[in-house]
Amino acid sequence: DTGVSQDPRHKITKRGQNVTFRCDPISEHNRLYWYRQTLGQGPEFLTYFQNEAQLEKSRLLSDRFSAERPKGSFSTLEIQRTEQGDSAMYLCASSPDVGGFEQFFGPGTRLTVL
Amino acid sequence: AQSVTQLDSHVSVSEGTPVLLRCNYSSSYSPSLFWYVQHPNKGLQLLLKYTSAATLVKGINGFEAEFKKSETSFHLTKPSAHMSDAAEYFCVVSEDSGYALNFGKGTSLLVTP
Repeated sequence: DTGVSQDPRHKITKRGQNVTFRCDPISEHNRLYWYRQTLGQGPEFLTYFQNEAQLEKSRLLSDRFSAERPKGSFSTLEIQRTEQGDSAMYLCASSPDVGGFEQFFGPGTRLTVL
Repeated sequence: AQSVTQLDSHVSVSEGTPVLLRCNYSSSYSPSLFWYVQHPNKGLQLLLKYTSAATLVKGINGFEAEFKKSETSFHLTKPSAHMSDAAEYFCVVSEDSGYALNFGKGTSLLVTP
């Protein structure tokens, strides 16, 4: 199965620590997206890449958050100085340039900030 | 601005009976609409999508949805529920010129024997 993969699947950290998540999209997909899902809510859009260019960022993406996709393949999402409010599931999705707007989602990384 | 409202946070049906999950949308442009399903501890899976072709859209696992512009609705239906349909369902909107998906808050479907 060559779907979207995310690593790690779970992360527990203490408040104030930095964390980094990785997403590997479906290999032929040029577009990559990050979403955040809190308990009982639908996913919320964070940011979007077209190849290596970060083209759109949500106001939810505070200055403690940074995302990269240096070679247009995998992406990382870093959260600096984590806060308890950052506890959530972080989802990555990818899509091709053509064929509609279907996004294929990974299993997510569940972050718990103590 | 685009958004969706899922009218029920929880729906309970008996196995073998019809399923109706309601969704209303708001969009300034011609929207693309989707239904995604999320089973416990599994990733989001696309059930079906509407992108300005046929207004009645058929998806996987016997689900379908009808786009009604006059009612700004995109309700999800299935004639006969199966136990395996129990999951969280999300109605989603995306405008043609945008790339972000806007999710509703979700409807939890419970299927009882």
